[in-house]
Amino acid sequence: GAVVSQHPSWVICKSGTSVKIECRSLDFQATTMFWYRQFPKQSLMLMATSNEGSKATYEQGVEKDKFLINHASLTLSTLTVTSAHPEDSSFYICSASEQGQYEQYFGPGTRLTVT
Amino acid sequence: DQQVKQNSPSLSVQEGRISILNCDYTNSMFDYFLWYKKYPAEGPTFLISISSIKDKNEDGRFTVFLNKSAKHLSLHIVPSQPGDSAVYFCAASAGSQGNLIFGKGTKLSVKP
Repeated sequence: GAVVSQHPSWVICKSGTSVKIECRSLDFQATTMFWYRQFPKQSLMLMATSNEGSKATYEQGVEKDKFLINHASLTLSTLTVTSAHPEDSSFYICSASEQGQYEQYFGPGTRLTVT
Repeated sequence: DQQVKQNSPSLSVQEGRISILNCDYTNSMFDYFLWYKKYPAEGPTFLISISSIKDKNEDGRFTVFLNKSAKHLSLHIVPSQPGDSAVYFCAASAGSQGNLIFGKGTKLSVKP
């Protein structure tokens, strides 16, 4: 149980284009989903938290107009990196948790490379 | 300021022996602690957790100990296996549905 999937697992795009990453909870209802970014040899950096049907809450320093998050259902959240630049290249990971639960279950991550 | 600290970036252990991974925290509002295991280019996998009302939680080869007065927790893996080689992250939360605050991780290498 508690499986979270992400799609795509890796993506290469050209500078200036937008990329959408999907995060799905496969066997539970995710009232809250989280988006993280991980730089090489560093810890997970929380980008934003989203509750189903509500606007996402972004961490300080994360541009909400650049990283668009939609959590339209209890099983799906999307992160769209708009007008991507090479510095946006990173490993993006989502996680999901059920109502009232501490545990977050993570997706396998998406490697984004912007050329 | 880091609220969750894993001061050892790496740890090397012989197969069959005990691995002890340490984590310190500063925020006394944290009431739930979790350990995650992560392989390169994969998402973290939940391992084990402990509530602040307990001082020990055990699941198979994994045991987490919590010392609230010292604001310290540790993960014990015994016996260690080569497949345990990964980066281990300690995380803490203040209240359910709250954000997890992660440490920087400890890379465990278990040698055959």
